[in-house]
Amino acid sequence: DGGITQSPKYLFRKEGQNVTLSCEQNLNHDAMYWYRQDPGQGLRLIYYSQIVNDFQKGDIAEGYSVSREKKESFPLTVTSAQKNPTAFYLCASRSPGGSNEKLFFGSGTQLSVL
Amino acid sequence: QQQVKQSPQSLIVQKGGISIINCAYENTAFDYFPWYQQFPGKGPALLIAIRPDVSEKKEGRFTISFNKSAKQFSLHIMDSQPGDSATYFCAASTAGYQKVTFGTGTKLQVIP
Repeated sequence: DGGITQSPKYLFRKEGQNVTLSCEQNLNHDAMYWYRQDPGQGLRLIYYSQIVNDFQKGDIAEGYSVSREKKESFPLTVTSAQKNPTAFYLCASRSPGGSNEKLFFGSGTQLSVL
Repeated sequence: QQQVKQSPQSLIVQKGGISIINCAYENTAFDYFPWYQQFPGKGPALLIAIRPDVSEKKEGRFTISFNKSAKQFSLHIMDSQPGDSATYFCAASTAGYQKVTFGTGTKLQVIP
């Protein structure tokens, strides 16, 4: 099955700890995204990558870091600098432009603070 | 900096009724307007999308109406069903620009 795989589904972070959320895709898409979802605030862009070894900050990048060493993988690290990390995190890839353009989302990771 | 405003935040509709969700945008460079549907615990999935060269697009019970001069677009769900109960997000993007901007979402509940 083609798609986006996020793991783990649930993650707990202790204070001062860095945690990494995994995102893998087998859709052969160049562009990948990380969004944060909070109730009533919609989806806010954390980081995005248009190609391997390249990524850009989104609207709320502070306290997060990413890497894009392989086309298939775009892991997100939530660092200890992110003081309010509790949220639902969504990874997505984007199909090429044109009339069939769309974002494909994973099933998300719920991050909570212990 | 919210570039896409969505309303209402929540909506309750009776089975068989029409659900209407509205969005307004500021950036006139936007040229692609998708709607995503999200069920609890899942990621959003594309429902329907429109480009500004048409004023309406219909797919089954779902219709997007687009008003370019008013910079507004809306989703209409005809004959709403309990299975339509989900959160709906409008979004906007620009060709050649990789960022997609989302509205704040509307939680729809269709009651029998």
